[in-house]
Amino acid sequence: DQQVKQNSPSLSVQEGRISILNCDYTNSMFDYFLWYKKYPAEGPTFLISISSIKDKNEDGRFTVFLNKSAKHLSLHIVPSQPGDSAVYFCAASSSNTGKLIFGQGTTLQVKP
Amino acid sequence: SAVISQKPSRDICQRGTSLTIQCQVDSQVTMMFWYRQQPGQSLTLIATANQGSEATYESGFVIDKFPISRPNLTFSTLTVSNMSPEDSSIYLCSVDTTLGETQYFGPGTRLLVL
Repeated sequence: DQQVKQNSPSLSVQEGRISILNCDYTNSMFDYFLWYKKYPAEGPTFLISISSIKDKNEDGRFTVFLNKSAKHLSLHIVPSQPGDSAVYFCAASSSNTGKLIFGQGTTLQVKP
Repeated sequence: SAVISQKPSRDICQRGTSLTIQCQVDSQVTMMFWYRQQPGQSLTLIATANQGSEATYESGFVIDKFPISRPNLTFSTLTVSNMSPEDSSIYLCSVDTTLGETQYFGPGTRLLVL
C-alpha cells in the first residue's frame, strides 16, 4: 500500500525553464508534506514543506502547491539550474509521530 | 536546522557480522529516527529512537536485527546484526524539531555486505 506516490521516475528540462515535480498521496490525515533533494552519496537535503492547511508555500526558487481535494502536491523550481539535477523525494508526515513516508523519487536532469 | 554526523560514513562487512552506526546531533532533539535506503529504492523508516526507552519499530523491522540505543537527546546508535547481503543499504538518521514540519537527515552510512 503506497501511501505516497511519485509517478514520474524522471524529468528532463532545459536550464532557465520551470521544473514541475508531482506527488500524490492517499492518507488525508497527513499534517505536512516535505520535499527533499538527494545526491547518490549523500543524505537527503530538506528543501521546503507545506502544512495541510495551506495551499501554497514559497521559498526562493522553490514553490510547493497542495491540492487537498485531489490529494496532490507539486514542487515548482523556477528557474531551473544544472545544479538542481538530483533525485527529488516527496514525503508526508503526521505531526504527532514525525514519521516520514516517502515517495519513490523523481530524477531531475536540468540541461545547460 | 540541526547538524547531524554519522559514523562510519561507509563500511564493507562480511556476512554474519554486526555493525554499529553512530548518529550525533549538535543540539538536543526529541524526535530521532533511523531510515534505510536500499539500492534503487526509496527511503523506509526502520524505527523511532526514543530517549530512555525502547525504540519503536516499523512493520518488517525487529529489535533483534536492528537494536537501537538512545542514551540522551543528542546521540543514538543503530546496530545491523547478523548481516546478509540484503542488508547492503544506506542507513540514515534524522531528527525532527518542529513536530513534522521539517526533518533533517545525516549524511548516511553506506554499508556493503559481502
